[in-house]
Amino acid sequence: EIVLTQSPGTLSLSPGERATLSCRASQTFNNNFLAWYQQKPGQAPRLLISGASSRATGIPDRFSGSGSGTDFTLTISRLEPEDFAVYYCQQYAGSPWTFGQGTKVEIK
Amino acid sequence: QVQLQESGPGLVKPSETLSLMCTVSDGSMNSYYWNWIRQPPGKGLEWIGYIYYTGTTNYDPSLQSRVTISVDTSNNQFSLKLSSVTAADTAVYYCARAISHRSYFDYWGRGTLVSVSS
Repeated sequence: EIVLTQSPGTLSLSPGERATLSCRASQTFNNNFLAWYQQKPGQAPRLLISGASSRATGIPDRFSGSGSGTDFTLTISRLEPEDFAVYYCQQYAGSPWTFGQGTKVEIK
Repeated sequence: QVQLQESGPGLVKPSETLSLMCTVSDGSMNSYYWNWIRQPPGKGLEWIGYIYYTGTTNYDPSLQSRVTISVDTSNNQFSLKLSSVTAADTAVYYCARAISHRSYFDYWGRGTLVSVSS
């Protein structure tokens, strides 16, 4: 099983600031089969990024994904008020599909 | 746009079987993989398993002995059964679509909370 470790656990930032979220895998991916999701309280997760760097339909370009191998990053270039939420990475390179434990982006 | 909706009892007794249904609207079930994912209160996401529209399944090994996912394409529904539940199975259960057997989840239901308690 591929274990994903996200850091930091909580990120305290102000609107307009840049957010950098990390997701590290316990095994190397050869195919960048990694997705990022945003989840707000009481809501289902929403797909942001697939294939490590491809934005899903309708996702603003302030969200970007990068990385390969074992280290992946989600960057939010300038935080908007609606971006404060919990973010999860998920790998689909090897079954069982697994998620990271999440990073909470909170208002400072 | 595809919509998914979970339904089923919100309370299940310990040792009994949890049963949920997911209804898929505004889209065909053909050629997609239909998943169940759960989230214990205040915790992260856990993939349970998927079923292909033909009936092929894949389950998380840690739950495999207790899980059954089935599909009814004629009614655009798929279901989850989890046997011998304990309090540790208390969670919000989501159904979600994947475009292949090795894929992210592009559409999700809103989720339904199932509590295990006597």
